[in-house]
Amino acid sequence: GAGVSQTPSNKVTEKGKYVELRCDPISGHTALYWYRQSLGQGPEFLIYFQGTGAADDSGLPNDRFFAVRPEGSVSTLKIQRTERGDSAVYLCASSLSGRSSYEQYFGPGTRLTVT
Amino acid sequence: AQKVTQAQTEISVVEKEDVTLDCVYETRDTTYYLFWYKQPPSGELVFLIRRNSFDEQNEISGRYSWNFQKSTSSFNFTITASQVVDSAVYFCALSKETSGSRLTFGEGTQLTVNP
Repeated sequence: GAGVSQTPSNKVTEKGKYVELRCDPISGHTALYWYRQSLGQGPEFLIYFQGTGAADDSGLPNDRFFAVRPEGSVSTLKIQRTERGDSAVYLCASSLSGRSSYEQYFGPGTRLTVT
Repeated sequence: AQKVTQAQTEISVVEKEDVTLDCVYETRDTTYYLFWYKQPPSGELVFLIRRNSFDEQNEISGRYSWNFQKSTSSFNFTITASQVVDSAVYFCALSKETSGSRLTFGEGTQLTVNP
């Protein structure tokens, strides 16, 4: 079956601009996670959705970052007034449920470059 | 707070050598899960194994084996008879045993297997 997909695969934007990154989870997966991976580092948690609601957004670095999942499937990560420090690979993962006994399946990521 | 340390930043071996990737973790939880993920050059994180804190049995899957030692807070990963296709970044990760638990990743070990 189809895995987690993310679009776009690459995004280059100018400092100060607004960007949206999209994640399509595996069909039927109720849990969805966003992570950010900087060069040479492990992924860092941003936000977790269970269904339509953000159950844990404690990883979002500041109020420029926001994410939605209005119908409990596709999610969009939104970044306002981008800064060069936002440059990273943004990874989305989905899981059958939020229980940690279920593995998270990752998408290929969106590489964001802020110039 | 949870923390994962992968002290080996890079390892280089020749094909057919055995190689062990180290992972040490910190957590105050009595129950938790440990994971290993592989990130090949394509960038997509691939799930390899999940282990819960109650199960200290070693596990073998083909050329892969994992050694979980709660007494030393370690969860090491061994590849036997390495192959060029094993070249990737390998991440160890930790999560709480609660719903929606984020993965806390180590910084990864870049493994290069030379022909």
